[in-house]
Amino acid sequence: SVLTQPPSASGTPGQRVTISCSGSDSNIGRKTVNWYQQLPGMAPKLLIYNQDQRPSGVSDRFSGSKSGTSASLAISGLQSEDEGEYYCATWDDNLAGWVFGGGTSLTVL
Amino acid sequence: EPQLLESGGGLVQPGGSLRLSCVASGFTFRSYAVTWVRQTPGKGLEWVAVISSTGGSKHYPEDLRGRFRIFRDNYKNTVELEINNVRAEDAAVYYCAKLTHGYWDFGSGVAFDIWGQGTKLTVS
Repeated sequence: SVLTQPPSASGTPGQRVTISCSGSDSNIGRKTVNWYQQLPGMAPKLLIYNQDQRPSGVSDRFSGSKSGTSASLAISGLQSEDEGEYYCATWDDNLAGWVFGGGTSLTVL
Repeated sequence: EPQLLESGGGLVQPGGSLRLSCVASGFTFRSYAVTWVRQTPGKGLEWVAVISSTGGSKHYPEDLRGRFRIFRDNYKNTVELEINNVRAEDAAVYYCAKLTHGYWDFGSGVAFDIWGQGTKLTVS
């Protein structure tokens, strides 16, 4: 994938977990980043847009940030219902299209 | 409540063609661009096509241009994805998604905020 995410992350209930997304100047470095959550058996859902904005209805336990060519998703107060796959996404100017990270599988221990 | 519902997936032979359909409800369909994203176990999420709110602009990844075509009908609130000369690597779950804007403007500030449940394409 053009965007690099760790394949897995884990934490215990109540903990704070961070998922990273590494890109380059042609994508994260100059474009806004979005994060999508995909729970088991479900379609992806927009979780964070424009690197740090939450859509209506998304818990404030989820937050996003961007610095240079990397972005991060933080989940605080981890809950079992947070288990699933998390994807970062942005536009890439070189490819002239949207690109996704490979996804990070979050496990709540 | 805004919703998208895909249909048209199924079993297709290599070299065949098919059209996937996406029906929208619960929002002003003609005001928003719509995209298709596919998902495979091996390649994850992959963007495959986008169409502007009016249908006047369309865009595809370089490697799919020519085989994939996207259409919309703002009277029927539908978007369709036509796949021609189907290949084994096209097997995936195909999702349609609504953009937050009517046009993508090189992706700046645009997100996919409503997704359908997906329709599965099997190639064999």
